[in-house]
Amino acid sequence: TQLLEQSPQFLSIQEGENLTVYCNSSSVFSSLQWYRQEPGEGPVLLVTVVTGGEVKKLKRLTFQFGDARKDSSLHITAAQTGDTGLYLCAVIHTGGFKTIFGAGTRLFVKA
Amino acid sequence: GAVVSQHPSRVICKSGTSVKIECRSLDFQATTMFWYRQFPKQSLMLMATSNEGSKATYEQGVEKDKFLINHASLTLSTLTVTSAHPEDSSFYICSARDNTGGRNTIYFGEGSWLTVV
Repeated sequence: TQLLEQSPQFLSIQEGENLTVYCNSSSVFSSLQWYRQEPGEGPVLLVTVVTGGEVKKLKRLTFQFGDARKDSSLHITAAQTGDTGLYLCAVIHTGGFKTIFGAGTRLFVKA
Repeated sequence: GAVVSQHPSRVICKSGTSVKIECRSLDFQATTMFWYRQFPKQSLMLMATSNEGSKATYEQGVEKDKFLINHASLTLSTLTVTSAHPEDSSFYICSARDNTGGRNTIYFGEGSWLTVV
């Protein structure tokens, strides 16, 4: 069983549409991170959310941490072709500081 | 610029040979580094935690004798895939923990493509 369940696994949309990606768990976390990865490159950190109910915005991206700190969502407004990539939620295991990733959501934005 | 660098970025090796991948922290000392493997269209799977000056800690199901990890200095960890086979072909990514000066930040490398033929 995955620690972090992401949905959907794959999303193909037209440029200009909105979308939401979800990251769910039965565990409570002190923080949660979202990464974006392009093919052939390492993941790039987008945001870290810490407080239950917290909302962070990064241009057209809105990140929310659930009130119970068990889940998170990423909403993209007016998607652009440059948003295409693999979006990963992740948590840092406090015992060994290792980052554990969800299965990822592969987003494809068509022109 | 990158603060964690991997080398080589791409490598092709023959089946049965060994190949070494390096992970360097460029601007900080890292007592802890991590190695991940990512197969096509999948997420990053943690293989092991590399500890400077001590043995690496491997995740369940990862063969320590096949994936040798050496963290001999505070800025370098190496992953050696021994007796590589085509099924070892994958994207290998490292990360390093910067915990200097009260920081606790993880930086990821750019990844290394391994193709075993």
